[in-house]
Amino acid sequence: QVQLQESGPGLVKPSETLSLTCTVSGALISNYYWTWIRQPPGKGLEWIGYISFSGTTKYNPSLRSRLTMSTDASKKQFSLNMKSVTAADTALYYCAGTTVTTSSSFVEFWGQGTLVTVSS
Amino acid sequence: DILMTQSPSSLSASVGDRVTITCRASQAINSYLNWYQRKPGRAPKLLIYSTSALQSGIPSRFSGSRSGTNFTLTISSLQPEDFATYYCQQSYNTPDTFGRGTRLEMK
Repeated sequence: QVQLQESGPGLVKPSETLSLTCTVSGALISNYYWTWIRQPPGKGLEWIGYISFSGTTKYNPSLRSRLTMSTDASKKQFSLNMKSVTAADTALYYCAGTTVTTSSSFVEFWGQGTLVTVSS
Repeated sequence: DILMTQSPSSLSASVGDRVTITCRASQAINSYLNWYQRKPGRAPKLLIYSTSALQSGIPSRFSGSRSGTNFTLTISSLQPEDFATYYCQQSYNTPDTFGRGTRLEMK
C-alpha cells in the first residue's frame, strides 16, 4: 500500500521560503512523477508541478520562477521549495504520485495534505 | 490555462440514487480527464482516469464518459460511503487544471 507523508513548517513568514518534504513508502519511486498540488482556503485545487527521480521536472508556468523541486532517492523523499511567499501562498499542500503514459497522466496516489500559513 | 467548469457545485441525493457530475473543458483535451474523490481529513482518491478507465479497487458503480469537451462522472446507485467531494482534472496541457469540485451531500 502506497503512503505519502508531507512534512515541514506550518507557518512561514512573508518573503521567506516555503519548504516541504514528502516521504514515500510502498511504491517504486522510479515509476512515478512526484507531484505537488495545493488548495488555498475557499479556492480550487492548483497543480504546482512534478519531478521524477531521474531529474525530469515540469512546473506550473505561473509559479516557475519561485519553485525548486528536488529528490533524495536514498531516503525516498522529494521536496518543494517556494521562495518569496506571500499570503496568497497560504494553502493545504498535497504531495502525490503521478503516472504518465503515452496516452494518459493521472494522480494515482495522494498524501493527506499539510496546511501552510504565510503570516508574520 | 484550460478552464474546467464543473457542475453542479453541490448536490443532495439519497442512497440508491443515480448521480451525474459534469465537467466541461474550455478547449479540446482528448481523453485526458480524470476524476477524484475527497473526504475530509483523508487523502484524495483516484476514481477514473483517461475519461472512462476505472482505477483498480474502485467499485463498478462509478463510470465516466465523454462527449466532445463535456465529461461525465456517474454513480449508478449511491452508497453511504460515496458522500464526498468530487473533482475533475485535465492533464492534456501544462499546467494540469482542476474543476472547482462537487460536494455530494445526503438528502
